[in-house]
Amino acid sequence: DQQVKQNSPSLSVQEGRISILNCDYTNSMFDYFLWYKKYPAEGPTFLISISSIKDKNEDGRFTVFLNKSAKHLSLHIVPSQPGDSAVYFCAASRANFGNEKLTFGTGTRLTIIP
Amino acid sequence: KAGVTQTPRYLIKTRGQQVTLSCSPISGHRSVSWYQQTPGQGLQFLFEYFSETQRNKGNFPGRFSGRQFSNSRSEMNVSTLELGDSALYLCASSLVAGGRYEQFFGPGTRLTVL
Repeated sequence: DQQVKQNSPSLSVQEGRISILNCDYTNSMFDYFLWYKKYPAEGPTFLISISSIKDKNEDGRFTVFLNKSAKHLSLHIVPSQPGDSAVYFCAASRANFGNEKLTFGTGTRLTIIP
Repeated sequence: KAGVTQTPRYLIKTRGQQVTLSCSPISGHRSVSWYQQTPGQGLQFLFEYFSETQRNKGNFPGRFSGRQFSNSRSEMNVSTLELGDSALYLCASSLVAGGRYEQFFGPGTRLTVL
C-alpha cells in the first residue's frame, strides 16, 4: 500500500521556467511533509518541509504548497536551473517525538533542459 | 560539522552470505534510521533506533536486523542474502527540535548480491 505517491516518474523543464513536482498521500495522520533531492551515488538531501498547520512554505527558489483537503502537496522551483536536475522525493511523517518514520514516494526525475 | 558516514560504500556478496553495514550519525543526533532503495520502489523504511532501542520497524523479514551503540553509531545486518536484497541502503540521522523534523542522509552502501 503506497501511502505517498508521486505519479510522474519523470519531468522535463526548460531552464529558467517553473518546475512543478506533485505528490499525493492517503494517510490523514500525516502532519509533516518534506521534499528531498537526490543525485546519483549520493544520499537524499533535504530541501524544504511544511507542517500541516501551514499551506505554504518558501525558501529561496523553492516553495512547497500543501492542500490538506485534497491530500496533495507540490514543490515549485522558480527559476529552474541545470543543477536542479535530480530525482525528487516527497516524504511524510507524523511530527510527534517518538515517531520519526518517514514514508517516501517513489520519486520524480527532473531534467532541466538548457 | 561532519555529515552522516556509511561504510562500506560498495559491497558484493553471494546468495546465502550475511552482511553488516555501518552508519555514523551527525554528532549530537541520537536517532538513526535505515532505508532500502530499489529502482521503482523509492525508499522503504527498515527500522529506526534511538538511544540504543529500536522504536520503529518497517515491513521487512527478520533477516534484516540492526542495533545502535551508546555513541549512536548503528549497524544493520542482513543474513541469508537473497538476490532481491541488492539495493542501496541508506542511513539517516535526525534531531527533533520544536516540532520541526528532518533527516540527514549518508551516501549509502550499494549492496550487490550475486
